[in-house]
Amino acid sequence: RKEVEQDPGPFNVPEGATVAFNCTYSNSASQSFFWYRQDCRKEPKLLMSVYSSGNEDGRFTAQLNRASQYISLLIRDSKLSDSATYLCVVNKGGQNFVFGPGTRLSVLP
Amino acid sequence: DAGVIQSPRHEVTEMGQEVTLRCKPISGHNSLFWYRQTMMRGLELLIYFNNNVPIDDSGMPEDRFSAKMPNASFSTLKIQPSEPRDSAVYFCASSLSASGIDEQFFGPGTRLTVL
Repeated sequence: RKEVEQDPGPFNVPEGATVAFNCTYSNSASQSFFWYRQDCRKEPKLLMSVYSSGNEDGRFTAQLNRASQYISLLIRDSKLSDSATYLCVVNKGGQNFVFGPGTRLSVLP
Repeated sequence: DAGVIQSPRHEVTEMGQEVTLRCKPISGHNSLFWYRQTMMRGLELLIYFNNNVPIDDSGMPEDRFSAKMPNASFSTLKIQPSEPRDSAVYFCASSLSASGIDEQFFGPGTRLTVL
């Protein structure tokens, strides 16, 4: 089993749609969690950290369920500019960051 | 402010040649990471440094790979000899501290092709 798994995608959604991405991790000792965004042929950039209580940043909501070892990202009112690959990232200890394979999102006009 | 700087941006070389990738982290950042990204394996952590000291190199695939950080503003990743399966995008990233909760800032990457 991979350490971090994500929905395989791709997700093709119309503008304005709500889309949710799921991520699971295998190491129960993992300590910190993130969502990064990567545009085609560009470097990854932090979208948001994920906190135990859940957190929201504008149209984006991240949730963490430690018991189920599950992380989610919800995007509301999707925009064309949201088209990218979304990477789930888990820190399994120290600074050992494990990136998931990513889920590609295409928002269509 | 300048972000993480990597050079070269593209490298094409022949099998058996030595390849050196360079990285300048963001000034004041104490942690530096080297990653490799391929379609098949995704983004993989190769090695990371805290305060110029290598902490974990368990992701380095083989002895052909080596990394150094002689000072706070410069790091290299060397592949000697290179092989076609080393073809990938190599990213360098830096973060402010070793807390494990800080944002990592990635450079634009070096796209390596080994023929």
